[in-house]
Amino acid sequence: DGGITQSPKYLFRKEGQNVTLSCEQNLNHDAMYWYRQDPGQGLRLIYYSQIVNDFQKGDIAEGYSVSREKKESFPLTVTSAQKNPTAFYLCASSLRPGQGPGGANVLTFGAGSRLTVL
Amino acid sequence: SQKIEQNSEALNIQEGKTATLTCNYTNYSPAYLQWYRQDPGRGPVFLLLIRENEKEKRKERLKVTFDTTLKQSLFHITASQPADSATYLCALNTGGFKTIFGAGTRLFVKA
Repeated sequence: DGGITQSPKYLFRKEGQNVTLSCEQNLNHDAMYWYRQDPGQGLRLIYYSQIVNDFQKGDIAEGYSVSREKKESFPLTVTSAQKNPTAFYLCASSLRPGQGPGGANVLTFGAGSRLTVL
Repeated sequence: SQKIEQNSEALNIQEGKTATLTCNYTNYSPAYLQWYRQDPGRGPVFLLLIRENEKEKRKERLKVTFDTTLKQSLFHITASQPADSATYLCALNTGGFKTIFGAGTRLFVKA
């Protein structure tokens, strides 16, 4: 059963702590993404990776870090430098642009991880 | 700056009626536009995609229109059912890796 698995579903962090959110996919997708979702706002892109050992900053990368050592995995670390980390975090994957249905970049999302700062 | 606007007010309709959701965008020339469904506490799920040179796309009870002159897409659900209740997200992409999402419109279908 192909898909994206995010863990943990819920996470609580104390001020000053780093936390890492896991994202694993078995869809054989080259591209992976991390989005942040806040109430009343659209999804905002944090980081994305086009291929293994490569990643680019999105629109709100400050206070976050990622790695892409394996095609299947794209973990996100929320560092203590992120001033307002409480949010719903979504991981997604896709084929490379041009390879999707009709060349479109269709995203497959995980179930999300909700991070709360205490 | 690039902006996508969806009606922030929830849409309440009666079962069996057609739901129509609006997506407007500015300062953007998308290659295609997508609609996703998101249930509470879950990730979005892809529904439909329409290209810049297409006027209309259908899939079962779903219909999407795309007017690049008005910079607007309409998303219709015909014969709506309570199971259609969810938040619907509009998303734009110019053909690269970055996809920009609207905040979504919440739909409630009453039995």
